[in-house]
Amino acid sequence: AQTVTQSQPEMSVQEAETVTLSCTYDTSENNYYLFWYKQPPSRQMILVIRQEAYKQQNATENRFSVNFQKAAKSFSLKISDSQLGDTAMYFCAFRASFGNEKLTFGTGTRLTIIP
Amino acid sequence: DAEITQSPRHKITETGRQVTLACHQTWNHNNMFWYRQDLGHGLRLIHYSYGVQDTNKGEVSDGYSVSRSNTEDLPLTLESAASSQTSVYFCASSEHESGGTEAFFGQGTRLTVV
Repeated sequence: AQTVTQSQPEMSVQEAETVTLSCTYDTSENNYYLFWYKQPPSRQMILVIRQEAYKQQNATENRFSVNFQKAAKSFSLKISDSQLGDTAMYFCAFRASFGNEKLTFGTGTRLTIIP
Repeated sequence: DAEITQSPRHKITETGRQVTLACHQTWNHNNMFWYRQDLGHGLRLIHYSYGVQDTNKGEVSDGYSVSRSNTEDLPLTLESAASSQTSVYFCASSEHESGGTEAFFGQGTRLTVV
């Protein structure tokens, strides 16, 4: 079974600064997918970024980027030029390959952007 | 636009009552999932389905059941509601393929068992 660990329950950062959220996982799979989801106060789950394990290049989406270290089983999220709208819960999630497609989530990191 | 909707958004029920939470998606996805969200636990998988007539237990399935009679719907039933089942429930769907496609989530249902 896979496990996902987020060791930072809460973080806060000044607006416009850069913040990194940590995520580690454990799996015996070789091919899998990793995701970061954002949950603002509205409770809606929003996909921020995804990474395929077979790709060595780190995924980027505008101000969001990941540092994927497959050997270390680490998948951190970097938010650059943070904005007030980034205030939310952030969940790291793991999905195995075809045929085993359920998501396993970490416990989340509550991020607060301070004006 | 395709979407996934849950109903009701909020519900209060009494201990021992049977409760059914609805989930309907118009993505035509084969995969559907039910999660519960609790502080300190993140989202935990209750039940999931990879297609019509297919259902599987997740990590916290005790006291819950699902059925999949068509592609669009996966209702979640609490057979005899308990206070420990007070939680926020999320339904999700995703495509059944190897491409690592994202899961789409409903708005969540806040259930309170008193």
